[in-house]
Amino acid sequence: GAGVSQTPSNKVTEKGKYVELRCDPISGHTALYWYRQSLGQGPEFLIYFQGTGAADDSGLPNDRFFAVRPEGSVSTLKIQRTERGDSAVYLCASSPSANTEAFFGQGTRLTVV
Amino acid sequence: SQKIEQNSEALNIQEGKTATLTCNYTNYSPAYLQWYRQDPGRGPVFLLLIRENEKEKRKERLKVTFDTTLKQSLFHITASQPADSATYLCAPGDYGNNRLAFGKGNQVVVIP
Repeated sequence: GAGVSQTPSNKVTEKGKYVELRCDPISGHTALYWYRQSLGQGPEFLIYFQGTGAADDSGLPNDRFFAVRPEGSVSTLKIQRTERGDSAVYLCASSPSANTEAFFGQGTRLTVV
Repeated sequence: SQKIEQNSEALNIQEGKTATLTCNYTNYSPAYLQWYRQDPGRGPVFLLLIRENEKEKRKERLKVTFDTTLKQSLFHITASQPADSATYLCAPGDYGNNRLAFGKGNQVVVIP
């Protein structure tokens, strides 16, 4: 049974570069969330999709961060002009609908050097 | 602003005892509260959801309470085992706001 899949599992990039992080949710799940987690902290909300639309993007820290979910399934988190402070684990989760249990992927560890 | 507070200090507990974790929230009126478990290097895993009209919820050795007056949820692991060692996260939720916000988590270490 396929769970939430995130690729790559690790990404090292140079400061100023552009990165894309991919999330394959569980099939049929309409709700999709992106989080960022730093060491010793809980997951920090970034954006929530219901279907293809971003229902809540209030957690995106600035306009360098953008996420899409064009067909209501796979989602991509895009970070432009990466900074060292962007280094963290980026987690994706999906749910059958909003306000129900969320199923998380294993995360992408992003390191900006 | 809304705050979710979990004890930052790790809870060290002897195997077989009951571990109790606290989640306090302020400037919030959640309709439900979820608890998750997270192991190092892994994503959180859902454990339990308790709604505002439920005082208590149980699942195997886990028990959660939800006191909307105290703005607090307690999470209990009875007969704790070394395999229960992990970080436990609480996440209050609201049907009018679909974001799922998490506390920092509370680490539990069960000593054999």
